[in-house]
Amino acid sequence: EAGVAQSPRYKIIEKRQSVAFWCNPISGHATLYWYQQILGQGPKLLIQFQNNGVVDDSQLPKDRFSAERLKGVDSTLKIQPAKLEDSAVYLCASSPPALDYEQYFGPGTRLTVT
Amino acid sequence: KQEVTQIPAALSVPEGENLVLNCSFTDSAIYNLQWFRQDPGKGLTSLLLIQSSQREQTSGRLNASLDKSSGRSTLYIAASQPGDSATYLCAVEETSGSRLTFGEGTQLTVNP
Repeated sequence: EAGVAQSPRYKIIEKRQSVAFWCNPISGHATLYWYQQILGQGPKLLIQFQNNGVVDDSQLPKDRFSAERLKGVDSTLKIQPAKLEDSAVYLCASSPPALDYEQYFGPGTRLTVT
Repeated sequence: KQEVTQIPAALSVPEGENLVLNCSFTDSAIYNLQWFRQDPGKGLTSLLLIQSSQREQTSGRLNASLDKSSGRSTLYIAASQPGDSATYLCAVEETSGSRLTFGEGTQLTVNP
C-alpha cells in the first residue's frame, strides 16, 4: 500500500512571497489533515477535511492560509503572503473511514521563509 | 483546552538500558492516545494506539500504558538500541475523528 505523498519536500522563499504544498492521501482514505510543526514543537492541526468538506479549520490563519481538497482526493495548502514565522514542516496525514482508525503521515514539506 | 506535556524533553542512555518516556494530558475525556516516532527530516510513524477503554498496548520491545483518570501515559522501551534514537511524540484524540493534540516530544539518543 502506497503511503501519503507530499511535494515538494523542501522549499525556500522570501517573506511576502506565495507558496503551495500538495498532498496525495492513501487511496480510500476519506479524512485528510494538514499539520504545521515548528522546530522543537509537536505538530498542530491547521485544517481537517472529510471528503470534500472542511471539518475543522479553527487553527488555520485564514488571512494568509488557504486549503482545498478537490474531488475528495488530493489537497493543496497555500500561504499568501508568507511570514518568517511560517517557517516549519507542513505534514499531511490521512485516515480511513472507520471508527477505530489511526492517522498515517506523509514525509512533510520543510518550508524556510527568509 | 487540551494540553499535552512530555517529560523529559531529551534523554541520552547507553545501549541496552530499559527506559520510560512520560506523557500527561490535562483533559481526561479522550477517545484514544497514540505514540509516534519521528526521525530527523521524516514524517511521523505510529508506534502504538491505545483506545480510552484499554490500559496498555504492546508491540515488540515497546509497551505503552494509559491511566485516563490521572491523565497519564508511559512508553516503555526495553533493551534500547542505537536504532531507537529518534523523537517520540505523544498525541491524544478527544473524540472520534477529531484532531490530534501533540506534546512537544522527547528526543531520545541511545549511545552504542
